[in-house]
Amino acid sequence: QQQVKQSPQSLIVQKGGIPIINCAYENTAFDYFPWYQQFPGKGPALLIAIRPDVSEKKEGRFTISFNKSAKQFSLHIMDSQPGDSATYFCAASLKSGTYKYIFGTGTRLKVLA
Amino acid sequence: DAGVTQSPTHLIKTRGQQVTLRCSPKSGHDTVSWYQQALGQGPQFIFQYYEEEERQRGNFPDRFSGHQFPNYSSELNVNALLLGDSALYLCASSLADRGQGYTFGSGTRLTVV
Repeated sequence: QQQVKQSPQSLIVQKGGIPIINCAYENTAFDYFPWYQQFPGKGPALLIAIRPDVSEKKEGRFTISFNKSAKQFSLHIMDSQPGDSATYFCAASLKSGTYKYIFGTGTRLKVLA
Repeated sequence: DAGVTQSPTHLIKTRGQQVTLRCSPKSGHDTVSWYQQALGQGPQFIFQYYEEEERQRGNFPDRFSGHQFPNYSSELNVNALLLGDSALYLCASSLADRGQGYTFGSGTRLTVV
């Protein structure tokens, strides 16, 4: 019940495409869902986060869609660029994100020029 | 404004040895969490420190221990190293009970031979 399942494992898109990464969770007590971007040799960097009282949140080219009834959430990257090539992790947490994060297994994204 | 600083960046140890990793949190943050990231996997929560006390702990053996100092910096100690302890160890800082997401450091790459 503590797992966060992430798919796909890897993704290749053309420049300008809209990659979509999906995550699913079981524990309905989770109340904070962040997405992190990680480049090789670096730590994860927070991209965007959402709480279950909203269904969508946009920050720049990044959008989270949240479906509370299905216990699923997804990351959309608009107008993707080669510089977006990285590994993306979803996560879930309790207590508004002050509790430990349960991370997904990651999606390796490659954006072709 | 310095982010999360970790040292050393790389470390090679022999099986059975002990290791200490260090972390300085982002300025203004008072909570430090440690994560282990195996190659190709998402980060796994080890423990979290707040007010110099271990506040949460993940499913890691007692060989993993930590400490937080009055200036909020933290150490992760691993005793009796195993080959399976080889991983990227990430430190993340946050402001307690604010739910604004963790800021991660770039990590310490530990190799056990």
